[in-house]
Amino acid sequence: GAVVSQHPSRVICKSGTSVKIECRSLDFQATTMFWYRQFPKQSLMLMATSNEGSKATYEQGVEKDKFLINHASLTLSTLTVTSAHPEDSSFYICSARVEGRNTEAFFGQGTRLTVV
Amino acid sequence: GIQVEQSPPDLILQEGANSTLRCNFSDSVNNLQWFHQNPWGQLINLFYIPSGTKQNGRLSATTVATERYSLLYISSSQTTDSGVYFCAADTTSGTYKYIFGTGTRLKVLA
Repeated sequence: GAVVSQHPSRVICKSGTSVKIECRSLDFQATTMFWYRQFPKQSLMLMATSNEGSKATYEQGVEKDKFLINHASLTLSTLTVTSAHPEDSSFYICSARVEGRNTEAFFGQGTRLTVV
Repeated sequence: GIQVEQSPPDLILQEGANSTLRCNFSDSVNNLQWFHQNPWGQLINLFYIPSGTKQNGRLSATTVATERYSLLYISSSQTTDSGVYFCAADTTSGTYKYIFGTGTRLKVLA
């Protein structure tokens, strides 16, 4: 199957700083990628749809100025958590699927963010 | 938007037992997948199954799209099957935005 790689897998940052998470489709192109967030013992919540070459589409309740998404190429989307606070600590995971047909989605390994 | 509910929320099995996990969805779906989330958080693709039946070793899945549910069967469970199982579905709107179910937390005892 297709591979989606996410980096870093784990990051600790200080309150007030920004953190960038990368999501790459390694062996296929993805004009659309998705970012999810998961709190402990909860399900995954869709945050936003990342669109190559255009603005991301955010789900209701997700602050677009807090979670900046850039999809500058067909294989890379980045999520930047700006001015991080402890409540932003969470597990962030991205996904992508092969374009052009109804196919399965592939997920990155996830990034565990801890803000101290 | 689509609602995805899973049952049971928690399940404890003795090694070797069989189990059935259920996923109900509130709208017609375009795509549906089952995942196993391992202790490190990674989502392992189990089945892509918007309709029909598939089998892979001890696991099998069935989706009855007309009745808006999917089932995941685990036979002869092993301790390594422990973890959280999610189904995720998107609607026929074509946005490919997966909505995840509430999850089933499975623990298999030796």
